[in-house]
Amino acid sequence: AQTVTQSQPEMSVQEAETVTLSCTYDTSESDYYLFWYKQPPSRQMILVIRQEAYKQQNATENRFSVNFQKAAKSFSLKISDSQLGDAAMYFCAYRRERYGGSQGNLIFGKGTKLSVKP
Amino acid sequence: EPEVTQTPSHQVTQMGQEVILRCVPISNHLYFYWYRQILGQKVEFLVSFYNNEISEKSEIFDDQFSVERPDGSNFTLKIRSTKLEDSAMYFCASSLRATQETQYFGPGTRLLVL
Repeated sequence: AQTVTQSQPEMSVQEAETVTLSCTYDTSESDYYLFWYKQPPSRQMILVIRQEAYKQQNATENRFSVNFQKAAKSFSLKISDSQLGDAAMYFCAYRRERYGGSQGNLIFGKGTKLSVKP
Repeated sequence: EPEVTQTPSHQVTQMGQEVILRCVPISNHLYFYWYRQILGQKVEFLVSFYNNEISEKSEIFDDQFSVERPDGSNFTLKIRSTKLEDSAMYFCASSLRATQETQYFGPGTRLLVL
């Protein structure tokens, strides 16, 4: 079974600085997708960024980028120029490629709570 | 931008009562999901739904739970006889295609069972 591990329960960053959140996963499959979701205090789940395992290039969305190391099964999220609005819970998630009748549900890590200091 | 909506945002119920949580997925999406998050814990998959059938379900999704798409827009999760441990945030999500890998989440329904 696939698992997702986020080893940092809490992280803190100074406004305008850069922070990296770690995520590792375990799978025997070669095709899959990885995601970072943000959950602010409102508890809504907001997609931050996604990565297809078959792509070697790391995904980037504005101030958010990932470091995807397929062999190491590592998928870290880097937030540059941190803003107060980035303060939230961040969840790493894995989804296998669909096959057969499976739609590939998301498997989440336990999350990292990010605080941003002014 | 299209979004997934959920009602109610909060629900308080007595143990043993039935609750129905409602979701309106993004209009052209075909795949639907329910997840739950017990306070302080990670998000867990409950069930996926396509073409008016359950595609997958987790061990959490026992006989107390059911899902339905009663019309062309709503997707509901019913808990027949709620237990204290059903207290959680319930998220609905949808995706366009099975190969469309991104699931878009609604704002959640916070369920409290007393």
